[in-house]
Amino acid sequence: EVQLVESGGGLVKPGGSLRISCEASGFTFSTYSMSWVRQAPGKGLEWLSSISTSSSYIYYADSVRGRFTISRDSAKNSLYLQMNSLRAEDTAVYYCARARCSSGSCYYYSDYWGQGTLVTVSS
Amino acid sequence: DIQMTQSPSSLSASVGDRVTITCRASQGISSYLAWYQQKPGQVPKLLIYAASTLQSGVPSRFSGSGSGTDFTLTISSLQPEDIATYYCQKYNSAPWTFGQGTKVEIK
Repeated sequence: EVQLVESGGGLVKPGGSLRISCEASGFTFSTYSMSWVRQAPGKGLEWLSSISTSSSYIYYADSVRGRFTISRDSAKNSLYLQMNSLRAEDTAVYYCARARCSSGSCYYYSDYWGQGTLVTVSS
Repeated sequence: DIQMTQSPSSLSASVGDRVTITCRASQGISSYLAWYQQKPGQVPKLLIYAASTLQSGVPSRFSGSGSGTDFTLTISSLQPEDIATYYCQKYNSAPWTFGQGTKVEIK
């Protein structure tokens, strides 16, 4: 069974930093591209960042480029999002999501999602 | 960047009604479009990819169509368990933008 479990969310002050993690199981993590998507309270889904299988290709939304850094560790079956210079508008549930990959090709829509981790930016 | 616009933002329909949600891309995206369902308090669930391919396990009352810039998600006979917000997402090229969502309620 595919499982994605996020952790590391919490309360952080504006301007602060936080690293959230996503531990994957039930599939061969190294062969799947991965993404982070967030959802502010009562709002819609916002794609943030994606990373290819070997970390060769990394993509960011304009809203987080230069502040957030995505990374992965296949030895630990884990995906990370380092978030710096946090703002109140970064308050959201952050989801880890798996891209659809087959025969070495990946498409960046998501067939599995974690339960999310809440990040609250407030003084 | 390509913008994704859904309409309507919300709708109310009766059980058994046919429901149609539209997603429009500001530029052509071929058939690189996915649809998700998010029920209240739950995680998004993939319904359709490649504009019209039903994800395994999704009821056949859901269907998708379109290519280029105009896409539709249709629920052929609305059921109480379909109450949710529906999102489209483009994936032809980054950024993999979502539409703003369409909230479906029962009348």
